[in-house]
Amino acid sequence: RKEVEQDPGPFNVPEGATVAFNCTYSNSASQSFFWYRQDCRKEPKLLMSVYSSGNEDGRFTAQLNRASQYISLLIRDSKLSDSATYLCVPRRALTFGSGTRLQVQP
Amino acid sequence: EPEVTQTPSHQVTQMGQEVILRCVPISNHLYFYWYRQILGQKVEFLVSFYNNEISEKSEIFDDQFSVERPDGSNFTLKIRSTKLEDSAMYFCASQTGNYGYTFGSGTRLTVV
Repeated sequence: RKEVEQDPGPFNVPEGATVAFNCTYSNSASQSFFWYRQDCRKEPKLLMSVYSSGNEDGRFTAQLNRASQYISLLIRDSKLSDSATYLCVPRRALTFGSGTRLQVQP
Repeated sequence: EPEVTQTPSHQVTQMGQEVILRCVPISNHLYFYWYRQILGQKVEFLVSFYNNEISEKSEIFDDQFSVERPDGSNFTLKIRSTKLEDSAMYFCASQTGNYGYTFGSGTRLTVV
């Protein structure tokens, strides 16, 4: 069973829209996660950490729902530069999933 | 901001040749990793390295692969006899504490 499951997308949204992705996880013992973003043909870059209290950084908000075993990433006022693949990874995991692709359109 | 440095950025090699990919992790990081990504596919774990030894490796990391940390700064991935299917982007990453990985910008390996 995969550690995490994400809708591969693509999510096509207009500039300025609010978009949310979910990531479900299988290991109920997982307590913290990371969101990475990966641009085409580039390395993954750490976007934010997610703990039980959630996390907010500017236009980005991440939440952890332990009861339902999912984490979410909310992007407000999306920009063209937000177009990327977003990957959720449990803190101790070594493997990455395929992520969710976001395409922000003008 | 500290970064992970990888060289070369591109490497073209003939099938059967040995290649060494080089990485300089962030200086105070303790855990080091190699990943690869075949074009259009997801990032795949190869190996993790801690305290001068391999801590985990995937099925991909067979006898053709090896890693070394020959001095206090470099972390290398060697592929002994390259195959066409080794063509991919290879990413080095380092990490410490409870923080996420910092990846290098990768080496694009093309085996011809």
